[in-house]
Amino acid sequence: QKEVEQNSGPLSVPEGAIASLNCTYSDRVSQSFFWYRQYSGKSPELIMSIYSNGDKEDGRFTAQLNKASQYVSLLIRDSQPSDSATYLCAVGDKIIFGKGTRLHILP
Amino acid sequence: GAGVSQSPRYKVAKRGQDVALRCDPISGHVSLFWYQQALGQGPEFLTYFQNEAQLDKSGLPSDRFFAERPEGSVSTLKIQRTQQEDSAVYLCASSFGLDYGYTFGSGTRLTVV
Repeated sequence: QKEVEQNSGPLSVPEGAIASLNCTYSDRVSQSFFWYRQYSGKSPELIMSIYSNGDKEDGRFTAQLNKASQYVSLLIRDSQPSDSATYLCAVGDKIIFGKGTRLHILP
Repeated sequence: GAGVSQSPRYKVAKRGQDVALRCDPISGHVSLFWYQQALGQGPEFLTYFQNEAQLDKSGLPSDRFFAERPEGSVSTLKIQRTQQEDSAVYLCASSFGLDYGYTFGSGTRLTVV
């Protein structure tokens, strides 16, 4: 059974601070990793993809992948209230999702 | 179209009724996925198409669930003899291929009463 694990939260972060979201996965052969953002009542929206070890930066977002540790994370710099959402980690070509981490940015 | 279109947006079905949910993917997208999302949970994989071929249906919860994509474009997820546990949001996603991120439709919220 392929699994993707995330802390469900809620994770509360002050506005302007760095939010750090973490994810572990069980399938060692996975080659593709994604972070989706989902606002309440809306569908998931792709915000980052990462395929190789290391960091990938896109604006305020940085994805980090460590295949040896089977760990992927998302950092959000200068957190804004509009970043408050559920963040879903997704792994593999058939995109297995974690249950998501609820992030709340405190104004 | 510009995005993935799903219809209906909401569906209320009486227990035992058959329902059909439609997904119109982004033009040119080869891969199409169906997911089921219960409240407070992440999306659960149901089935995957590459063009018209259903390559994986391992996530379909029972033989009451059936999906098709006969011409490699529009897909329909059919649920026969609906049960209360089928109540969820059904999401469709499409992509140019595996290992690409997927674009999701707005989903169909199914409520079985």
